[in-house]
Parts: sequence; structure tokens; C-alpha cells
Amino acid sequence: DAKTTQPNSMESNEEEPVHLPCNHSTISGTDYIHWYRQLPSQGPEYVIHGLTSNVNNRMASLAIAEDRKSSTLILHRATLRDAAVYYCILSTNAGKSTFGDGTTLTVKP
Amino acid sequence: EAGVAQSPRYKIIEKRQSVAFWCNPISGHATLYWYQQILGQGPKLLIQFQNNGVVDDSQLPKDRFSAERLKGVDSTLKIQPAKLEDSAVYLCASSLVTTGGTYEQYFGPGTRLTVT
Repeated sequence: DAKTTQPNSMESNEEEPVHLPCNHSTISGTDYIHWYRQLPSQGPEYVIHGLTSNVNNRMASLAIAEDRKSSTLILHRATLRDAAVYYCILSTNAGKSTFGDGTTLTVKP
Repeated sequence: EAGVAQSPRYKIIEKRQSVAFWCNPISGHATLYWYQQILGQGPKLLIQFQNNGVVDDSQLPKDRFSAERLKGVDSTLKIQPAKLEDSAVYLCASSLVTTGGTYEQYFGPGTRLTVT
């Protein structure tokens, strides 16, 4: 299965932008990049996904490198409620996806 | 729209006992997943169903774990007998479709299992 690499932890100040990086150098041409986040004591929740172009939704933006070997999840103004573990995963055409250990985001007031 | 339902939310058992978890996916979702999440780690896929057929169970410890999805809707995951290392949160998720890589997984709240 294609793997992703993320930093173990990151910190941000409240109301500042946060850029969460993800490396996926073995991505194949049909793999989609998905981001999920997991708040304490909850199941993961979907954040955003993309294939080649940058994507925006109400929660975040996803910037995908031109060679697709890396991507960045952008939270435009971090709030305390954004403190969570963020997972970057690759979803294959065959319906497979593998979670890594994610990045724990701490938001300081 | 109702989310993914799981029960029980918490379970404490002694090692060598049996336990079963239940999951009701979002209505109309063909694909159902069971994950095991050990404290401090990401979710690990145990088994994936497409309707009532198994798509992937390569990481399911089949000597002690079993799962079924009757009529392509609800699912149960059973552990028999439990070991200390089975202490984890068991997450159920569902998705509408799995082809094309664009599917979004919806997760339930999980069942926290403690084996003593």
C-alpha cells in the first residue's frame, strides 16, 4: 500500500494559519489524497480530498504539489476546536486506504 | 441523516473472554470497514465489506477475530478469546462507494475495549 509521511506534531497560535505537510512519494497516478482529522474521543472525520488540483471547502484548503509527491493541508485561521490529530491518506482506485499515525496539532490561545 | 452507530461504547472484559461489537452504517452505504485503533496510533483496517462480501481481511487475526455483515447492512465484530493486546478502540466506518478513490469514509464513535 502507498504510504504517507507526516510530522508527529505541530503547534499553532489561535487565529493564525496552519500548514500541515504530507509526503507521499510513492503515490500512483490514480490515487486520491484524503485528509481526515480526529478530535479527542471521537472517530476520524473527513476534511478534504483531491487528485491533482488544489481544492477548497468550508473547513480547509488542500494544496497538491505539481509532481503529486507531497501535499499540504491549510487551515486558514486555527481555532482551539481545530486541535486534533490530522491524517493524510491515499485512497486507491480499488478502494484501499491506509492510515498512518498522523500529525497532532496543538493550538495555543 | 443519521451517522454510523456503534454499540457498546465501552466494554471491559477479562482475558480469554469473548466480546462482540455491533455497527449500523449509514443507510445506503455499500462499504463497511472495521478498524482497530491502539492508543497513540492511527486506525488499522481489520476488515472491509462491500455489501455482504469481504473485500479485504488481510490484517484480521483470524484465529481470534471474526466479522460478518448480514444482508449487507449491520455488522458484528467478535473477539474470542480476547488477549491483553486487544485493548483498543474499535471503529466502524461506512462509505457510499469505493471505486474511483473519491469515497469519503464516515466513522462511528467507536467502542473502547479494555482487556484485563
